[in-house]
Amino acid sequence: AIQLTQSPSSLSASIGDRVTITCRASQDISSAFAWYQQRPGKGPQLLIYDASYLESGVPSRFSASGSGTDFTLTISSLQPEDFATYYCQQFHSNPLTFGGGTKVEIK
Amino acid sequence: QVQLVESGGGVVQPGRSLRLSCAASGFTFSSYPVHWVRQAPGKGLEWVAIISYDATNEYYAESVKGRFTISRDNSKNTLYLQMNSLKTEDTAVYYCARGQASYDFLTGYPFSGYYLDCWGQGTLVTVSS
Repeated sequence: AIQLTQSPSSLSASIGDRVTITCRASQDISSAFAWYQQRPGKGPQLLIYDASYLESGVPSRFSASGSGTDFTLTISSLQPEDFATYYCQQFHSNPLTFGGGTKVEIK
Repeated sequence: QVQLVESGGGVVQPGRSLRLSCAASGFTFSSYPVHWVRQAPGKGLEWVAIISYDATNEYYAESVKGRFTISRDNSKNTLYLQMNSLKTEDTAVYYCARGQASYDFLTGYPFSGYYLDCWGQGTLVTVSS
């Protein structure tokens, strides 16, 4: 199975900060990559698909880039509702696998 | 709007069985593959199983293969997960999710997997004696 290494596992940031989360795949997965946000007690919500495409309804402060093995999610100006846990996922091949998650907390 | 609602969770003893359901609405259920994904308390996401749009293909995580069975009833817009021989390590919130296919833009070939564009709120399964 393809392994995804997500970093950092947690971070503290302030409202308005620029935040970057990275994810590295154990093999080339092209653009078969997605990012999700999960708020406490809720199901995950798709943010980004195909490595860099913003899902409909997701604020434009979220952006992503990458291809192959290295991927990045950026929040340009952190808002109160962005404090959550973020997961990466590859869909290049089965089984689907997820990164370990990054918890974004208030500084 | 697109909605997935899981039900059927609860407390069950090790070795026993439980069946989860996921009711879909707001989209043409029979056109999409659907997945089960679970999350142990305080842990990350673990993919469990997928069933194709027409129920002709299924695929399971190694951790549940031979114990869990995914199925669907397109006439009822409902997805199921039959869980047998439950273990304490199966304790988790179980989510159903709709799968979306995509393609490698360079080759034109589809990827084998799916991204998950709609998730339910989850149902908690606790396996404990």
